[in-house]
Amino acid sequence: DIQVTQSPSSLSASVGDRVTITCRASQGVSRSFAWFQQKPGKVPNLLIYAASTLQSGVPSRFSGSGSGTDFTLTISSLQPEDVASYYCLSYFGGPRTFGQGTEVEIK
Amino acid sequence: EVQLVESGGGLVQPGGSLKLSCVASGFPFSSHSMSWVRQAPGKGLEWVAVITRDSSGLYYADSVKGRFSISRDNAKTSLHLQMSSLRVEDSAVYYCVRDWVGVSIPLFDYWGQGALVTVSS
Repeated sequence: DIQVTQSPSSLSASVGDRVTITCRASQGVSRSFAWFQQKPGKVPNLLIYAASTLQSGVPSRFSGSGSGTDFTLTISSLQPEDVASYYCLSYFGGPRTFGQGTEVEIK
Repeated sequence: EVQLVESGGGLVQPGGSLKLSCVASGFPFSSHSMSWVRQAPGKGLEWVAVITRDSSGLYYADSVKGRFSISRDNAKTSLHLQMSSLRVEDSAVYYCVRDWVGVSIPLFDYWGQGALVTVSS
């Protein structure tokens, strides 16, 4: 099965900063990759699918890039409401695999 | 409006069994693959199992393979997860999730409210 390694596990940044989270798949997954935001006590919210397609209703400060094994989620200008945990997901083939998660906080 | 409503969670002893169900509405259920995802308290998301739209493809996480069984009834727009030989580490909130329908179409875009499973003696 495909393994996904997400980094960093946590980060602290200032409002307005550019924030980057990365995931690496153990083998090529084409562009079958998604990103989620989860706030405490809430279900995860889809941000990005197909590696770079922004889900409807998601602010444009969120963007995704990558293909093959290396993927990136970027928040162009961190906002207070972006404090949350972020997860990547590989969905290439049958089994799916989540990354370990990244906790984002405001400095 | 898309709705996914889980049921069947509860407290079970180690080694016991439990069956979760999810009733879907508001979308063409038989067109979508469906997944179960779990989250232990204070922990990250863990994908558990997926079933293709016609039940021809069943895939499981290594942690549950041989113990859990996913199934669906398209006529009743329902998804099930039969869990057996339960372990303490299976304790989590289990989510029913709308999965794949086609290329360039969102997936994992709708989640149920979750069913809490607690495995404890």
